[in-house]
Amino acid sequence: KNEVEQSPQNLTAQEGEFITINCSYSVGISALHWLQQHPGGGIVSLFMLSSGKKKHGRLIATINIQEKHSSLHITASHPRDSAVYICAVPHSGGGADGLTFGKGTHLIIQP
Amino acid sequence: DAGVIQSPRHEVTEMGQEVTLRCKPISGHDYLFWYRQTMMRGLELLIYFNNNVPIDDSGMPEDRFSAKMPNASFSTLKIQPSEPRDSAVYFCASSFSVQPQHFGDGTRLSIL
Repeated sequence: KNEVEQSPQNLTAQEGEFITINCSYSVGISALHWLQQHPGGGIVSLFMLSSGKKKHGRLIATINIQEKHSSLHITASHPRDSAVYICAVPHSGGGADGLTFGKGTHLIIQP
Repeated sequence: DAGVIQSPRHEVTEMGQEVTLRCKPISGHDYLFWYRQTMMRGLELLIYFNNNVPIDDSGMPEDRFSAKMPNASFSTLKIQPSEPRDSAVYFCASSFSVQPQHFGDGTRLSIL
């Protein structure tokens, strides 16, 4: 079973700051997921990536398969980015599989 | 398109009662997942199905928990008898093949 570690657990920053959230995992995987959980509780998939880098608006996700590490970056952060960001990997490492989750990073962006 | 639909949104019941949570996946999706979220343990996988067949139920905590998927558009998670430690938010998610998972809004379950 894969183990997922995220850091930091909590992060408070000022509007406009560049944000980085880190994730490491223990077993080789086919793809890694970044999820966002809103204050109301809903969960949205942000990225699913297996190599390199993906960008969506102000969000950038990178992954280093050899080092078993991924980062989520937010550029020009805004209060509406305040949420819990969760890293997840396939439970057994590959394919269409249930996910094993990190404990999440609680991000607060202050105006 | 409608997303993953879960019902009920909230359930409060007394210990010992049977609880049934329901999920309608996105049409065309062939994978369905049940997860549970608690403050102590975070999000954890309970069970998942592929083409209505259970693939991995290793996360189901005890025999009190059971899940079924009688057809491609409906799944249930049942707890019988319920206990206070089962209180959590239960999420259903679905996906097509290896694509990203789509999550329902969750069912907030409180067992008194």
